[in-house]
Amino acid sequence: DSGVTQTPKHLITATGQRVTLRCSPRSGDLSVYWYQQSLDQGLQFLIQYYNGEERAKGNILERFSAQQFPDLHSELNLSSLELGDSALYFCASSDSVDVNTEAFFGQGTRLTVV
Amino acid sequence: QKEVEQDPGPLSVPEGAIVSLNCTYSNSAFQYFMWYRQYSRKGPELLMYTYSSGNKEDGRFTAQVDKSSKYISLFIRDSQPSDSATYLCAMDNQGGKLIFGQGTELSVKP
Repeated sequence: DSGVTQTPKHLITATGQRVTLRCSPRSGDLSVYWYQQSLDQGLQFLIQYYNGEERAKGNILERFSAQQFPDLHSELNLSSLELGDSALYFCASSDSVDVNTEAFFGQGTRLTVV
Repeated sequence: QKEVEQDPGPLSVPEGAIVSLNCTYSNSAFQYFMWYRQYSRKGPELLMYTYSSGNKEDGRFTAQVDKSSKYISLFIRDSQPSDSATYLCAMDNQGGKLIFGQGTELSVKP
């Protein structure tokens, strides 16, 4: 158990809908990262938050947004969902702000858009 | 061209074999190199990381980085069926985000 908790584990929704994925980082970790894993693209960095502030951004679509709350949990919001958004979404946490040598990953949320 | 290239396999070896997994990269700014293991339907877990060039050993696992060739390797000695998983290389240029390879699927047969 990595100590990173993601909910829900599975999500099935229709195209055009909006969903929220939740992540609780390991105790004491201030950085939260979101990644998307699909068969064709592999594991892709989406966005990083550090202590409530957006720190780094990857190839995150405009339809996607995230935030980190004062209790350090994070949510990833996906809207106007398309079939191609079906993927595994991972959250990771670490105690580092810049150098990510020890990120701990959650078990992921499997999103299926039908 | 992707920043990090990794042969997706699959790679099948008999138990006890030495396994060699490799990645190449194009961004010379990468300084931290990591190997993650991912079991089916699970999140990636960190195996080991190396800073800059050189070797690092941890039990049956050895990581090598050759920055001059932009090439990293993970060796698994005395491979076990429990090593069957997907192995992902990852790199960090101090920007906080990890750039992952596609992952190599490894199967160790008893």
